Amino acid sequence: QVQLVESGGGVVQPGGSLRLSCAASGFTFSTYGMHWVRQAPGKGLEWVAFIRYDGSDKYYADSVKGRFTISRDNSKNTVFLQMSSLRVEDTVVYYCAKGLVEWDGGWHPFDIWGQGTMVTFSS
Amino acid sequence: QSALTQPASVSGSPGQSITISCTGTTSDVGTYNYVSWYQQHPGKAPKLMIYDVTKRPSGLSDRFSGSKSGNTASLTISGLQAEDEADYYCSSYTSSSTWVFGGGTKVTVL
Repeated sequence: QVQLVESGGGVVQPGGSLRLSCAASGFTFSTYGMHWVRQAPGKGLEWVAFIRYDGSDKYYADSVKGRFTISRDNSKNTVFLQMSSLRVEDTVVYYCAKGLVEWDGGWHPFDIWGQGTMVTFSS
Repeated sequence: QSALTQPASVSGSPGQSITISCTGTTSDVGTYNYVSWYQQHPGKAPKLMIYDVTKRPSGLSDRFSGSKSGNTASLTISGLQAEDEADYYCSSYTSSSTWVFGGGTKVTVL
């Protein structure tokens, strides 16, 4: 059974940092590109970042470029999202999602999604 | 990276057909056949319904179909059922090697 489980969400302060993880199982992780997508409560989806199956290419949304870094560890079947200089608008639910096609360079969509992990700001 | 344009809401009676539009630009929908559609029920993760404009994932009902003309893609749901009530999002690959989503359409079954 293909499964993605996100973790690492929590409460942060403006300007702070956080690292999200997404553990994959049920498929050959090292042959699929992975994405992060986020969603504010009650709002629409926003694509955040993509990493190629071998980590050789990474792409980011303009809204997070220079602040977020996507990476992966194929030996541990895990993809990460390192977030820094966090802003109020970054406090949303983050989903990791698997690319549909093996060996994909990023142009195919996402077929399997995790259940998401929430990032919120402390008051 | 402007969001694709979708109607905020669409409604229909059980058994009817509805169509959701998704308008982009020549930098995304108009150039690439990498348009996909996702269904999201409240509190759940999105589910891929259509990819590459017209293709359905294995096992998905053929009541869902996709098409594209110029800069506008469309999702049609035929034989509308109560369980189709959800939010629907289109997305497209872009010339910047990124992905862009539409703002979402709430489908209501009357």
